[in-house]
Amino acid sequence: NAGVTQTPKFRILKIGQSMTLQCAQDMNHNYMYWYRQDPGMGLKLIYYSVGAGITDKGEVPNGYNVSRSTTEDFPLRLELAAPSQTSVYFCASSYSGQGPSGNTIYFGEGSWLTVV
Amino acid sequence: GQQVMQIPQYQHVQEGEDFTTYCNSSTTLSNIQWYKQRPGGHPVFLIQLVKSGEVKKQKRLTFQFGEAKKNSSLHITATQTTDVGTYFCAGRNTGNQFYFGTGTSLTVIP
Repeated sequence: NAGVTQTPKFRILKIGQSMTLQCAQDMNHNYMYWYRQDPGMGLKLIYYSVGAGITDKGEVPNGYNVSRSTTEDFPLRLELAAPSQTSVYFCASSYSGQGPSGNTIYFGEGSWLTVV
Repeated sequence: GQQVMQIPQYQHVQEGEDFTTYCNSSTTLSNIQWYKQRPGGHPVFLIQLVKSGEVKKQKRLTFQFGEAKKNSSLHITATQTTDVGTYFCAGRNTGNQFYFGTGTSLTVIP
């Protein structure tokens, strides 16, 4: 079990460039999330998905897009990168069922993105 | 929108002292979770509280969920240097979205 895998770990983008952060989980979780964490700050929800084919906006969706074509994958697309998008991005997943492990959010190791 | 606030934002303690962080939600939560993030790392699940007034312990850590299910606390007894990190609460609303608190960064001075 690899858990939640994110790539790339580090990336530098120029203003106006686009890129996709990849995220995959092998735990058969139905829920997946993208969060961003600015230095010294908390986690802000960008987008989330409750299952394949279903996505919804979180608190800070502007400038991002997502898709969920399979249960395992949840890529985050940045269009026209801006310096304000410099942050650490965490992909996460959870299982919505009952039980002690239900709803526990498992995080990937993070992707450090700098826009210059 | 839903807000989850934590206080204090930062806390420095001498090793061996106790530490408490408080989490407050603007709305009633169906449950609350606590996570720990080591410097440079990712958040790691610690515990989930579901019932009103619930108290759970993990060794030196004590977690409480308020009677109104709008607040929670994490108390660490006799801190150690391994406790260093940022502690986040995450409140779940009825839509199964988790909103993370602003976090409390704990520094333990040896």
